Amino acid sequence: KAGVTQTPRYLIKTRGQQVTLSCSPISGHRSVSWYQQTPGQGLQFLFEYFSETQRNKGNFPGRFSGRQFSNSRSEMNVSTLELGDSALYLCASSATTGLTEAFFGQGTRLTVV
Amino acid sequence: QQQVKQSPQSLIVQKGGISIINCAYENTAFDYFPWYQQFPGKGPALLIAIRPDVSEKKEGRFTISFNKSAKQFSLHIMDSQPGDSATYFCAASGPNQGGKLIFGQGTELSVKP
Repeated sequence: KAGVTQTPRYLIKTRGQQVTLSCSPISGHRSVSWYQQTPGQGLQFLFEYFSETQRNKGNFPGRFSGRQFSNSRSEMNVSTLELGDSALYLCASSATTGLTEAFFGQGTRLTVV
Repeated sequence: QQQVKQSPQSLIVQKGGISIINCAYENTAFDYFPWYQQFPGKGPALLIAIRPDVSEKKEGRFTISFNKSAKQFSLHIMDSQPGDSATYFCAASGPNQGGKLIFGQGTELSVKP
């Protein structure tokens, strides 16, 4: 069974630009969650999508948004990039929403210059 | 109430020794407690998870001990090996969290040969 696939693996963007990251969950999984990982703040929850609906949202500004498609693939978008948005963005796949095992992808390393 | 506190921040153990990492939580509604292992450049990998209806769960060399009254849980790695050197994260979630995992700050484990 293929794991969670995140693309691209690395991105360098300029402050003020926008970026879109992609996540393909494990086949059959319908829940996708996004996390931001930084050395200072650790792993922080961004949002969760299940059946194309956002189920939960973390404490991030509106510049961070996401969506999920009918095939469960998800994208997250960050607009008006700031230097502080530099982080590893991780996607987690679960069979369903709620208290189930979550499997992470390798992440997308975003650097904002 | 949403925090998960993890200690120690870093840990050095000799090969063959026992590695112990501790976590404490405040929200009594939390009822799912996974541990993740992360190697540099990789996403977190689910190691083992426990729910509060049991006090201990063992999978190979990894054991979770859970103390509901103290609101604490810990990871024990028996016969620690150099290949176990990684960063370990505890996490917690509850019925009102949806797919949201709240992570501890991580413990960097180094196993010396």
